Amino acid sequence: AQTVTQSQPEMSVQEAETVTLSCTYDTSENNYYLFWYKQPPSRQMILVIRQEAYKQQNATENRFSVNFQKAAKSFSLKISDSQLGDTAMYFCAYNNAGNMLTFGGGTRLMVKP
Amino acid sequence: GAGVSQSPRYKVAKRGQDVALRCDPISGHVSLFWYQQALGQGPEFLTYFQNEAQLDKSGLPSDRFFAERPEGSVSTLKIQRTQQEDSAVYLCASSTTGLASNEQFFGPGTRLTVL
Repeated sequence: AQTVTQSQPEMSVQEAETVTLSCTYDTSENNYYLFWYKQPPSRQMILVIRQEAYKQQNATENRFSVNFQKAAKSFSLKISDSQLGDTAMYFCAYNNAGNMLTFGGGTRLMVKP
Repeated sequence: GAGVSQSPRYKVAKRGQDVALRCDPISGHVSLFWYQQALGQGPEFLTYFQNEAQLDKSGLPSDRFFAERPEGSVSTLKIQRTQQEDSAVYLCASSTTGLASNEQFFGPGTRLTVL
């Protein structure tokens, strides 16, 4: 079974600075997809960024980028120029079979003014 | 267009009561998912529908949990004889197809508290 681990329960960053959230996963599959979802205090989960395992190039979406290390099974999220609106729970997730997402335990990020 | 909606947003039940949680997916989305999120934890998969067919129910924790999507649109998650350990936020998500690459769009969740 696949597992996803987020080793940082809580993190904080000053506004405008950069922060990196860690995620590792375990799988025996070769083709799969990795996601970072954001869950603000209102609870609605939204997709931040996704990465296809067969693509070596790291995905980027504006201020959000990932460092995908397939051999190490590591998938970290970097947030540049942090904004107060980035305060949320962040979940790393894995999908390969086209149905369920397997989520990590989450990292609570606080952006301080 | 409207996103995924869920009702009720909050539900308090006495232990032993039956509850029904509703999910309205994004119109036209083929796939629908239910997840359970305990306090302070990541969501855990419960079940998955493609149209009206329930293709995977391996995450349902007991036979007290039942889900349906009879017309391939709205879905209902039913919990019979609720127990305190059922207290959680129940999230519904939908996606255009069942492909692993597809984004799942989440609803706001139903917070269930069992007393």
